[in-house]
Amino acid sequence: DAMVIQNPRYQVTQFGKPVTLSCSQTLNHNVMYWYQQKSSQAPKLLFHYYDKDFNNEADTPDNFQSRRPNTSFCFLDIRSPGLGDAAMYLCATSRVEGIGSETQYFGPGTRLLVL
Amino acid sequence: GQNIDQPTEMTATEGAIVQINCTYQTSGFNGLFWYQQHAGEAPTFLSYNVLDGLEEKGRFSSFLSRSKGYSYLLLKELQMKDSASYLCAVKDSNYQLIWGAGTKLIIKP
Repeated sequence: DAMVIQNPRYQVTQFGKPVTLSCSQTLNHNVMYWYQQKSSQAPKLLFHYYDKDFNNEADTPDNFQSRRPNTSFCFLDIRSPGLGDAAMYLCATSRVEGIGSETQYFGPGTRLLVL
Repeated sequence: GQNIDQPTEMTATEGAIVQINCTYQTSGFNGLFWYQQHAGEAPTFLSYNVLDGLEEKGRFSSFLSRSKGYSYLLLKELQMKDSASYLCAVKDSNYQLIWGAGTKLIIKP
């Protein structure tokens, strides 16, 4: 089955210790998104790629970086995690941008705990 | 600013019908989505509305009124597995998805 895969599902890191979350997709979609979602809150878009074209949201902290080495993979790097970065991180894909009906497909998420 | 409003939590009984409302104020409109999210899991797509009216899909229906900035998700014949959060999201004029915080639906036997 075509899908969006995130590893690991749970990640524990220490305050200030860099951490990388990964996402892969077998849908061959052009667009990949990273969202942060805290409990009972709306998903917050951090950034997205259209192919290799990187789009950063204006309010995404510099502490968050992303890489997309190829169509299938995308990584979220948190350079110095703080306690406030503990959240669920969701990766999503869509075939293209700029079409109203275009749906985003989500991976299962990585829950990050910062100690 | 852009805003999506949904009730925080609702409770309903197994076998009953529940309506989850969503109101939005966005810069432009290119469609409204409903997603279901079970606790600790990813959102999954339920419905998309871009024209006024009711879209029915099995036990779930979604309604849109663009002039009122209003949508609802109607769930019929509720089952225990319908216990989840339901997120409303609108695509604005830039095709960015603006998300609501979700409505947590609790189903009681």
